[in-house]
Amino acid sequence: EPEVTQTPSHQVTQMGQEVILRCVPISNHLYFYWYRQILGQKVEFLVSFYNNEISEKSEIFDDQFSVERPDGSNFTLKIRSTKLEDSAMYFCASKRLSSYNSPLHFGNGTRLTVT
Amino acid sequence: GQQLNQSPQSMFIQEGEDVSMNCTSSSIFNTWLWYKQDPGEGPVLLIALYKAGELTSNGRLTAQFGITRKDSFLNISASIPSDVGIYFCAGPPHGQNFVFGPGTRLSVLP
Repeated sequence: EPEVTQTPSHQVTQMGQEVILRCVPISNHLYFYWYRQILGQKVEFLVSFYNNEISEKSEIFDDQFSVERPDGSNFTLKIRSTKLEDSAMYFCASKRLSSYNSPLHFGNGTRLTVT
Repeated sequence: GQQLNQSPQSMFIQEGEDVSMNCTSSSIFNTWLWYKQDPGEGPVLLIALYKAGELTSNGRLTAQFGITRKDSFLNISASIPSDVGIYFCAGPPHGQNFVFGPGTRLSVLP
């Protein structure tokens, strides 16, 4: 069964450094998402992306965050200058259909540790 | 923002027991999704519900879309050790994104 893949599985970075988290969504999916989960807490929406532009973003997704689909397969999340509180699991998700109830399929996440 | 609540927050059960958990929203949802998350992994979709009153099964799992459209229930029958994990409900309040509940952490004792 096709799946969403994320790399790296674990990223350690120093505060103030830039990080790029990578995702390869399921190939025939059109809508792409980033969620994050701080340890022990719930999964929080960051941003959705469709047709090469951001569709929606949450309050968490401030100017330090950006997303890009640099080619036909990758979908990236960049954090420009990481803060300690950015430490979390970051999940990429995708869905195929535009209908609001089409379910999301998640990758296994990237654990970001900011020191 | 949109809030989902789940209860119980955590539960400890004996292997073989049945489990019930629920999810409530302050507003109407048109879709309910149930996900399971194992440690160190991403959420995996268990069941999707699209219609008020709908009852859907996936093996030993059964979920129901509440008739008020503000709640949903997940039941697991005859629990086994691999049922351990965090169970999240999720729904689309508007647009294309989904919000998640805080999760129910299930522990199964042998």
